[in-house]
Amino acid sequence: EDQVTQSPEALRLQEGESSSLNCSYTVSGLRGLFWYRQDPGKGPEFLFTLYSAGEEKEKERLKATLTKKESFLHITAPKPEDSATYLCAVQPANTGNQFYFGTGTSLTVIP
Amino acid sequence: NAGVMQNPRHLVRRRGQEARLRCSPMKGHSHVYWYRQLPEEGLKFMVYLQKENIIDESGMPKERFSAEFPKEGPSILRIQQVVRGDSAAYFCASSPIQGGQPQHFGDGTRLSIL
Repeated sequence: EDQVTQSPEALRLQEGESSSLNCSYTVSGLRGLFWYRQDPGKGPEFLFTLYSAGEEKEKERLKATLTKKESFLHITAPKPEDSATYLCAVQPANTGNQFYFGTGTSLTVIP
Repeated sequence: NAGVMQNPRHLVRRRGQEARLRCSPMKGHSHVYWYRQLPEEGLKFMVYLQKENIIDESGMPKERFSAEFPKEGPSILRIQQVVRGDSAAYFCASSPIQGGQPQHFGDGTRLSIL
């Protein structure tokens, strides 16, 4: 069964304290892995797409990496405005176009 | 604003009434997806549509729920005879092509059932 697990559920960081969020997945063939950011009362905002093991993508203080079983979202020197819930989603290769989402990591960055 | 537009943002219905949720995809996108988000749970896929066609409705309850994406106008998610358990945030997403491309989301409709 296709499955996505994110950890930790919640993370509190001091401003400037770097850390990583984990997304473990089990799929029968991966078409793509997607990271989103969701602010309260808003829809998910697309961040990155990763397609194959070893791939990395960067944007400002965020860097996403992918292995055959998991993805990491590294946050370097976070700022309070990085506070949000970060969602990971996978699109299996053989089950149409739907995305399977994890339950997210709620990140709070304290000034 | 060229993003995915959903309305209404908030909808309150009494048990037994009908709820209609609307979604206009991003310009140039012909693939529409509906997801439901319950508190403390992840986004769950409901249905995938292209213009005038339902491609995959495997995540949608068999009864009371229906979706359409007509040739003209927005996609509609319709819930008949709503019950308390239908209270959730419903998100619409769109993509330009199928497979391997990010889906871009609207800000959702928060449905509350009294």
